[in-house]
Amino acid sequence: DQQVKQNSPSLSVQEGRISILNCDYTNSMFDYFLWYKKYPAEGPTFLISISSIKDKNEDGRFTVFLNKSAKHLSLHIVPSQPGDSAVYFCAASTGANSKLTFGKGITLSVRP
Amino acid sequence: GAGVSQTPSNKVTEKGKYVELRCDPISGHTALYWYRQSLGQGPEFLIYFQGTGAADDSGLPNDRFFAVRPEGSVSTLKIQRTERGDSAMYLCASSLNPAGPGETQYFGPGTRLLVL
Repeated sequence: DQQVKQNSPSLSVQEGRISILNCDYTNSMFDYFLWYKKYPAEGPTFLISISSIKDKNEDGRFTVFLNKSAKHLSLHIVPSQPGDSAVYFCAASTGANSKLTFGKGITLSVRP
Repeated sequence: GAGVSQTPSNKVTEKGKYVELRCDPISGHTALYWYRQSLGQGPEFLIYFQGTGAADDSGLPNDRFFAVRPEGSVSTLKIQRTERGDSAMYLCASSLNPAGPGETQYFGPGTRLLVL
């Protein structure tokens, strides 16, 4: 039973354009959401997070949007760069426990 | 500063053998987590330590898996009687403060375990 779902396994975008990575969750107890980026042969690297009391958090080229009623969040990368090519994981946790529940990940390819 | 380190980076073993995987968290981080990532999947939680004690071991799949953190720093994940299905990437993460939302977990590069 996947509580965090990333339904698209891959995404390809042109350099300079916007990348939109989507994530859905089923557990209404989740109140903190994170995005991690992973390059081959490396561990996941924290990218950006958002608390359930917010609907948007921005950090440079990266913005995460949260729609609690739809149990949906998205990561926007603009402008996309070739160095952004990696696997992106959506993760969630509850206030009671910081263990993370991850989605399956989405492979982003940014074409030069 | 130094990040989370894990040794070995790769481990090949035979079915039925015992293995130990080591994690060195970021210095000063009190919380330590183990995750397992199978091919094509996201990391799955195994166990979480706060200091020396296991605060949550609900993700350990069965009693062949055990983890310790005797001095509140380095942790060892131990797998007895390994099975082919144990083959996966084992990831360790640490965070500065006790459990709670907003505490960023920093991951190590992982140990890739292959059970033949």
